[in-house]
Amino acid sequence: KQEVTQIPAALSVPEGENLVLNCSFTDSAIYNLQWFRQDPGKGLTSLLLIQSSQREQTSGRLNASLDKSSGRSTLYIAASQPGDSATYLCAVSLSGYSTLTFGKGTMLLVSP
Amino acid sequence: NAGVTQTPKFQVLKTGQSMTLQCAQDMNHEYMSWYRQDPGMGLRLIHYSVGAGITDQGEVPNGYNVSRSTTEDFPLRLLSAAPSQTSVYFCASSTDRNGNQPQHFGDGTRLSIL
Repeated sequence: KQEVTQIPAALSVPEGENLVLNCSFTDSAIYNLQWFRQDPGKGLTSLLLIQSSQREQTSGRLNASLDKSSGRSTLYIAASQPGDSATYLCAVSLSGYSTLTFGKGTMLLVSP
Repeated sequence: NAGVTQTPKFQVLKTGQSMTLQCAQDMNHEYMSWYRQDPGMGLRLIHYSVGAGITDQGEVPNGYNVSRSTTEDFPLRLLSAAPSQTSVYFCASSTDRNGNQPQHFGDGTRLSIL
């Protein structure tokens, strides 16, 4: 059974810091990996999707990398802002399907 | 563009009652799914559908029924509510059944079973 682990569970940083969120998965036969953001009381917003054949994806200040062979992904947030405060979730899908297995998330707080 | 719409946003039920959580999307997406989110457990897949008339079970399907009579709607039915079904329920959709496109989530239904 695929298991997804996110470290750390919570992170507090001052504004302006660069930070890295980690995601690991036990079964390397993934089809893709997605990073989501969840604000309190809200649904999930897709940030980045990395196909298994890709090594990284970038969107603005966000960069996600994927090392399928080692079962790891990282989400890099540059020059963090208070508006980045949210829970960040990593999810993987198995070959050819849209069903997702989620990690428990990293709760990020960026202080002004 | 409404995206994925879930109703109701909040609901309190008594043990044994039944209800239907509604999910509708206006993006003509083939793939739709239901997840529940519990503290310390993360999101877990309940049921999913790859198109009208096609549904399948996810990781935690017991106590829930689904049907997909149209592309737009994917309701989730609780047959006889139990306290263990207290959770936040999220509906998601995607244009691609094969996982090549991002998934869009609704804002959730917060359900309490007394």
